Amino acid sequence: KNEVEQSPQNLTAQEGEFITINCSYSVGISALHWLQQHPGGGIVSLFMLSSGKKKHGRLIATINIQEKHSSLHITASHPRDSAVYICAVMPNYGGSQGNLIFGKGTKLSVKP
Amino acid sequence: DTGVSQDPRHKITKRGQNVTFRCDPISEHNRLYWYRQTLGQGPEFLTYFQNEAQLEKSRLLSDRFSAERPKGSFSTLEIQRTEQGDSAMYLCASSFNRNGYTFGSGTRLTVV
Repeated sequence: KNEVEQSPQNLTAQEGEFITINCSYSVGISALHWLQQHPGGGIVSLFMLSSGKKKHGRLIATINIQEKHSSLHITASHPRDSAVYICAVMPNYGGSQGNLIFGKGTKLSVKP
Repeated sequence: DTGVSQDPRHKITKRGQNVTFRCDPISEHNRLYWYRQTLGQGPEFLTYFQNEAQLEKSRLLSDRFSAERPKGSFSTLEIQRTEQGDSAMYLCASSFNRNGYTFGSGTRLTVV
């Protein structure tokens, strides 16, 4: 079982829809990242969370440390939001000092 | 500062050849990470440096892989005697301690 699980794996939405992507993890963490990857490979960091909720524009990220769960929400989705969204956690066990453990990603396609 | 730069963007090589990739991190960042990503999967940790010291290496980093960060600035990742299974996207990221994670655009390696 992967230490970081995302759902759904693939998501197709119509422009304007509200989107939720979920991330569950099984290890103790010091922080969780939401990342965006466009075709071509480059990764952009959207949020880093250790508690509560963060908002940036149409993106909202929440985390529940007790339940080991995080969600990424996109309001009023747009075709330019089409990308792979990756959840990554920074574990706080052993000697790990900052390497991330990644989920497999959620491929989002927003249709006009 | 233009972010994290990786060179080359694409590399096609014949099986058995050696390849070297370069990563230039954000200048203020003391940590530098290498990850490998295969199609449809999230990135996997390979190794990381704090300044010039290589502090952690994954079991994925076989003897054919070596990474250096000689002056605590740029880093190189060398793969000797490449195999078809080495075909992947190689991602570099940098941070200041655990903050400000920034990823490069990656180097896509194809071994034929």
